[in-house]
Amino acid sequence: EAGVVQSPRYKIIEKKQPVAFWCNPISGHNTLYWYRQNLGQGPELLIRYENEEAVDDSQLPKDRFSAERLKGVDSTLKIQPAELGDSAVYLCASTGEPGNTIYFGEGSWLTVV
Amino acid sequence: GNSVTQMEGPVTLSEEAFLTINCTYTATGYPSLFWYVQYPGEGLQLLLKATKADDKGSNKGFEATYRKETTSFHLEKGSVQVSDSAVYFCALIMKTSYDKVIFGPGTSLSVIP
Repeated sequence: EAGVVQSPRYKIIEKKQPVAFWCNPISGHNTLYWYRQNLGQGPELLIRYENEEAVDDSQLPKDRFSAERLKGVDSTLKIQPAELGDSAVYLCASTGEPGNTIYFGEGSWLTVV
Repeated sequence: GNSVTQMEGPVTLSEEAFLTINCTYTATGYPSLFWYVQYPGEGLQLLLKATKADDKGSNKGFEATYRKETTSFHLEKGSVQVSDSAVYFCALIMKTSYDKVIFGPGTSLSVIP
């Protein structure tokens, strides 16, 4: 069974440029998460989807970040414009049942210069 | 609110040494507990989990026991290898909802030959 797939794996952009990350969760997993992990820290939740509905986006910086999951499967996370402080790993994860294991993708490593 | 505390790193051990990484949690209710591992340049991988009190999770020689009385989930391994060098994250999730995973700050482990 395929795991959570993310792309791109690595991205280097100049500040003020836009960037987008894509995630394909494990088949059948209705719940999808986007986390941000800064260097040397644990992941922090940005947004959580149940099917196509964003049920927790309280930590998403909405002035520059947006996310969508139009058909309740794949999801994209966008940053526009990017700032130097956005350099981090953006992790996508999914789960199929409450309280069950959450599976992570390998992450998209963003460097803003 | 719910939270996870881990021992601070970095931890440096010689090969074949005994490993303990302490983890304690605060939660309203009874969460599921997890240890995730992150190897250099990679995403988070589930190492082991326990879903109720006194359960022992184990994988790849690592073990952790869910202790409700001390609200702890300490990670142990009897003989570490160089390939165990990674960052280890303790985490919890409440079983009653599709809540976010709450991570500890991570403990970096370096094993030297």
